[in-house]
Amino acid sequence: GDSVTQMEGPVTLSEEAFLTINCTYTATGYPSLFWYVQYPGEGLQLLLKATKADDKGSNKGFEATYRKETTSFHLEKGSVQVSDSAVYFCALSANQAGTALIFGKGTTLSVSS
Amino acid sequence: GAGVSQSPRYKVTKRGQDVALRCDPISGHVSLYWYRQALGQGPEFLTYFNYEAQQDKSGLPNDRFSAERPEGSISTLTIQRTEQRDSAMYRCASSPIPPEQFFGPGTRLTVL
Repeated sequence: GDSVTQMEGPVTLSEEAFLTINCTYTATGYPSLFWYVQYPGEGLQLLLKATKADDKGSNKGFEATYRKETTSFHLEKGSVQVSDSAVYFCALSANQAGTALIFGKGTTLSVSS
Repeated sequence: GAGVSQSPRYKVTKRGQDVALRCDPISGHVSLYWYRQALGQGPEFLTYFNYEAQQDKSGLPNDRFSAERPEGSISTLTIQRTEQRDSAMYRCASSPIPPEQFFGPGTRLTVL
């Protein structure tokens, strides 16, 4: 079945460091891909999305490119801040007709000043 | 505008009791989803509705779990005869158009 695999955390970085969180997926057809973020004590928030191959999603300085050839959707940010400390979830929707999201296990990011 | 709300935010119950978890979606959102999230894991799908119709309940773990959305707005997830293994975060999401989903804050259920 469809699945999402994320790099295991925790990821610990200093402020202004470059961030990459790897995400690969297995799916039949052409899924939509998402990154959700969970800040401490809060619910899941949509960070960015991409609905077709080669699309780049971006928000708050984060970017991810939908790579069909490598079945990947890696999350990147050029310069992290302490406020980026959170748990990041990669997810896919198997098609665009409103089926459930399939999530990875989440990657905890901790940024220190 | 108001986001997805869930109540209660925390629920502690004794094994064998029934619990009802409520989700109030964003106004006008057609689709509503329930997920369960164990500690250190990503959310896992339980069931979803379009309007009042339950479209998919394949993720409900057993027949102690049920959900309804009678008027196509508020939804209730009910767990009968709770067991300790039911302890988890229960998350609700609503969607105006696929595939984007907006999540509520979750209900943390603890079964003693």
